[in-house]
Amino acid sequence: DIQMTQSPSSLAASVGDGVTITCRASQNIERNLNWYQQKPGKAPELLIFAASNVQRGVPSRVRGSGSGTDFTLTISSLQPEDFATYYCQESYSIPYTFGQGTRLEIK
Amino acid sequence: EVQLVESGGGLVRPGGSLRLSCAASGFSFRDYEMTWVRQAPGKGLEWVSYISKSGSSVYYADSVKGRFTISRDNAKDSLYLQMHSLRAEDTAVYYCAREVQLGEWEVLDNWGQGTLVTVSS
Repeated sequence: DIQMTQSPSSLAASVGDGVTITCRASQNIERNLNWYQQKPGKAPELLIFAASNVQRGVPSRVRGSGSGTDFTLTISSLQPEDFATYYCQESYSIPYTFGQGTRLEIK
Repeated sequence: EVQLVESGGGLVRPGGSLRLSCAASGFSFRDYEMTWVRQAPGKGLEWVSYISKSGSSVYYADSVKGRFTISRDNAKDSLYLQMHSLRAEDTAVYYCAREVQLGEWEVLDNWGQGTLVTVSS
């Protein structure tokens, strides 16, 4: 199975800041990498698919990049609604493993 | 509007069984692959199981293989997860999610609200 490692596991930032979350795959997954956002008590929501494609309705301050084994999720100019937990997930081979999550908190 | 509504969760003793259901509406259920994902309290997301559109192909995480069975009834727009030999570590919120292919990429684009399964004596 492919292992997905996210860093950091938690992050504190202020409204208006920019942040970057990284996700590393244990083997080459090409661009088969998705990012989800989850708020407390809610189901996850798709943000980014195929490493860099933004899902409809997701604001332009959210960007994804990377290929192969190393990926990043960047959120610029943080808004209050961005404080949540973020998960990467590989969709290269079943089981489609998730990263352990990155909790983004308000500083 | 796409809706996925899970049900069937609850408290069950170790070694017991439970059947989860996921009722789909707002889309042509038979045209989509489906997935179960779970989340233990305070923990991250864990992919559990997948089923193809027809139900002919299924896959499981190693942690549930041999104990859980995924199935679907396209005539009833419903997805199921039969769980046997439940363990404390199966305690989690269980989400059903729709899998779509965007270009050549597989994504989980719609999720239910989840149903809580608690395994405890």
